[in-house]
Amino acid sequence: AQKVTQAQTEISVVEKEDVTLDCVYETRDTTYYLFWYKQPPSGELVFLIRRNSFDEQNEISGRYSWNFQKSTSSFNFTITASQVVDSAVYFCALNPNHAGTALIFGKGTTLSVSS
Amino acid sequence: KAGVTQTPRYLIKTRGQQVTLSCSPISGHRSVSWYQQTPGQGLQFLFEYFSETQRNKGNFPGRFSGRQFSNSRSEMNVSTLELGDSALYLCASSLVQGASNEKLFFGSGTQLSVL
Repeated sequence: AQKVTQAQTEISVVEKEDVTLDCVYETRDTTYYLFWYKQPPSGELVFLIRRNSFDEQNEISGRYSWNFQKSTSSFNFTITASQVVDSAVYFCALNPNHAGTALIFGKGTTLSVSS
Repeated sequence: KAGVTQTPRYLIKTRGQQVTLSCSPISGHRSVSWYQQTPGQGLQFLFEYFSETQRNKGNFPGRFSGRQFSNSRSEMNVSTLELGDSALYLCASSLVQGASNEKLFFGSGTQLSVL
């Protein structure tokens, strides 16, 4: 079965704190793609990052960083020095190869950042 | 460049009725996908259209259907509405068809309430 688990339902932090959102996935495919999307209160999902199963290089982009580990089937996302504008629901998603745009989403983690 | 546009933003229907939702993709994008988002089931893939043809379909009953026009605009239809169809319906567009690593651009969705 293909599945994405985001164990953290809600996280609350105070501005400037670092926060890590966890994502664990299950797939038997050897080629697949992983994504993080953000859903602000306006409703639209906003693409943040994608990784393919052959690229375990972790990346830092501004205040965002990602940690992809195939050995533990995890694709975690960290926000450094969080800001109120980061408050949103964050979704991790899996797309097996040849699945087109049929993403398998986790249930999401609601991040609340207070000032 | 205008984003993905979905109309209407809100819709209230009663059980047994049918409903049509509309989606205009980003200019130049030819692939349109639909997702259903509910508190219980989360985000679930409905279908993907490209060049006026359904390319992929999720696990939904036949009451859910869609189509795509020559200008890439898409509509989805739900017939014989049930209470469980109450959800946020999200449309996403992408440049190419069938590419599992393609990032999706989402609209703000249509919030459907079935009474």
